[in-house]
Amino acid sequence: DAGVIQSPRHEVTEMGQEVTLRCKPISGHDYLFWYRQTMMRGLELLIYFNNNVPIDDSGMPEDRFSAKMPNASFSTLKIQPSEPRDSAVYFCASGKGGANYGYTFGSGTRLTVV
Amino acid sequence: EDQVTQSPEALRLQEGESSSLNCSYTVSGLRGLFWYRQDPGKGPEFLFTLYSAGEEKEKERLKATLTKKESFLHITAPKPEDSATYLCAVKIAGSARQLTFGSGTQLTVLP
Repeated sequence: DAGVIQSPRHEVTEMGQEVTLRCKPISGHDYLFWYRQTMMRGLELLIYFNNNVPIDDSGMPEDRFSAKMPNASFSTLKIQPSEPRDSAVYFCASGKGGANYGYTFGSGTRLTVV
Repeated sequence: EDQVTQSPEALRLQEGESSSLNCSYTVSGLRGLFWYRQDPGKGPEFLFTLYSAGEEKEKERLKATLTKKESFLHITAPKPEDSATYLCAVKIAGSARQLTFGSGTQLTVLP
């Protein structure tokens, strides 16, 4: 089991550019979560999917952020246009069933917007 | 307002010096409390889930306990490899937001 795979590990981009973060969840997991971690705000849930369907995107900061899950083995988080305040570590996590279990997190993508 | 507060923010221990980390919560209805460990440059790693007051879970040198207001993560005779940030998170009844995380306790165990 390779775990949750995220790419890229690091991304440096200029303000105004489009950024796409990618996630491959663990096979068989029906829940997928996107979190953002900063020193100021800690870990924040952005959006989560159940069986590839977005369930709650109320944590997405604004319309510049969008997420898709076209199939059970792939999800993307896109920021367009990016801004310096988007700099953070973005984590993808997956799990089975409801939330009463431990999610498996990926290693994260460290995004720096200059 | 639902809140999860961890203390202390940082803790330095000598190897073998036992201590406890605290996670206090004020939520409308707790459906589960979770402890995670996070190493630098990595994602959080699941440790325990606790569901009801009085419940305890153990794993190696770690023991997690739960009351109606807080949870403790007890670390017995820690080793340098226990150094990490420990996060607690809650699942709130009726909330679609799944897990809400505290800000974490950064633990350093000195040899």
